[in-house]
Amino acid sequence: DAKTTQPPSMDCAEGRAANLPCNHSTISGNEYVYWYRQIHSQGPQYIIHGLKNNETNEMASLIITEDRKSSTLILPHATLRDTAVYYCIARSGTASKLTFGTGTRLQVTL
Amino acid sequence: NAGVTQTPKFRVLKTGQSMTLLCAQDMNHEYMYWYRQDPGMGLRLIHYSVGEGTTAKGEVPDGYNVSRLKKQNFLLGLESAAPSQTSVYFCASSYPPRRGNQPQHFGDGTRLSIL
Repeated sequence: DAKTTQPPSMDCAEGRAANLPCNHSTISGNEYVYWYRQIHSQGPQYIIHGLKNNETNEMASLIITEDRKSSTLILPHATLRDTAVYYCIARSGTASKLTFGTGTRLQVTL
Repeated sequence: NAGVTQTPKFRVLKTGQSMTLLCAQDMNHEYMYWYRQDPGMGLRLIHYSVGEGTTAKGEVPDGYNVSRLKKQNFLLGLESAAPSQTSVYFCASSYPPRRGNQPQHFGDGTRLSIL
């Protein structure tokens, strides 16, 4: 799986959009970009994934650059409950495991 | 929706003791996984299973054994616990990757301390 690089921490005001960047410059053509988050000491929660096209679901949007070397997870209206560690993972379509890095700690404040 | 359930949630062991962690999923997933997470670090894969009766080693398998006798259950065993195995253990399950890119669904973890 390709290595991903994320900032260690970010702050966001409640109600504003949170934009979390991820670099994956060595990603290969069959690797998807996955985002998970871990709230406090709970188990990781799947958010969204994509290959080439931008994706949106009820939780977030995923914007992948045309060269696929970076992506941005967007939480459109962050709430205090979105405070968590967010993990960006590059994973091939047939891989069994997820390789977690240290992620980005997002702090949403009033 | 139960999803992935882990038992127990907390446990304290003495060095040398043995125990089994149980993971149960009700989503009919073929794949199941055991990860450990140490403070300030990401999750690391211990063992995984691609179906009933099969298991495979992950990144950090030493000191652990697993069994998948039923599709819905995946057991993680520590035969002789060591302080280095103090960690939070997460179980996950998913459909096979060949069916498309299926996300993994995680339990809430078992916090294990070994004295």
